[in-house]
Amino acid sequence: NAGVTQTPKFQVLKTGQSMTLQCAQDMNHNSMYWYRQDPGMGLRLIYYSASEGTTDKGEVPNGYNVSRLNKREFSLRLESAAPSQTSVYFCASSEGVPGKGYTFGSGTRLTVV
Amino acid sequence: EDQVTQSPEALRLQEGESSSLNCSYTVSGLRGLFWYRQDPGKGPEFLFTLYSAGEEKEKERLKATLTKKESFLHITAPKPEDSATYLCAVLTGANSKLTFGKGITLSVRP
Repeated sequence: NAGVTQTPKFQVLKTGQSMTLQCAQDMNHNSMYWYRQDPGMGLRLIYYSASEGTTDKGEVPNGYNVSRLNKREFSLRLESAAPSQTSVYFCASSEGVPGKGYTFGSGTRLTVV
Repeated sequence: EDQVTQSPEALRLQEGESSSLNCSYTVSGLRGLFWYRQDPGKGPEFLFTLYSAGEEKEKERLKATLTKKESFLHITAPKPEDSATYLCAVLTGANSKLTFGKGITLSVRP
């Protein structure tokens, strides 16, 4: 089925470890996004990529880096994980114009201990 | 800065008891207002896009309306399967970034 695929679904890291969250979409969308969702905080934008080859910071970029590998793939990297990065991470994609908004992946639940 | 406020934070209804969820916004240049549904452990799922004041859209038991300051998601005769978190988001400016509210958790009891 067409959509946004995120891997892994669950991950436990120790403080200071690094990891990369993977995201791929097969809808030929131009724009891709990484959000984190925390209780009581809602969805907050970490980074986005309006088109292949471009990336921009969102509301909460500190401690993260991203790579838009190609039109399909957009990865999120935590270089040195901290407990404050415990969250559920969602990747999304869109055509880049108003319409159906975003298509979201099913999320990665990350715990940093 | 764009602001989106949803109320109430949580709503418990009896099956068949109609109600409304509110999304108020303060933005510059609204290009679209979006409603999403999110089930536990899953990503948000698109419901509606509204573009201008006075617009209404319907899907099964849900109807979304938009004014210049707020949007309402009306739920008519809800069923337990309507239990979920409902998210509101706004699109403004020249880019395609959505700003989300914190969501409203709806529980419908049989």
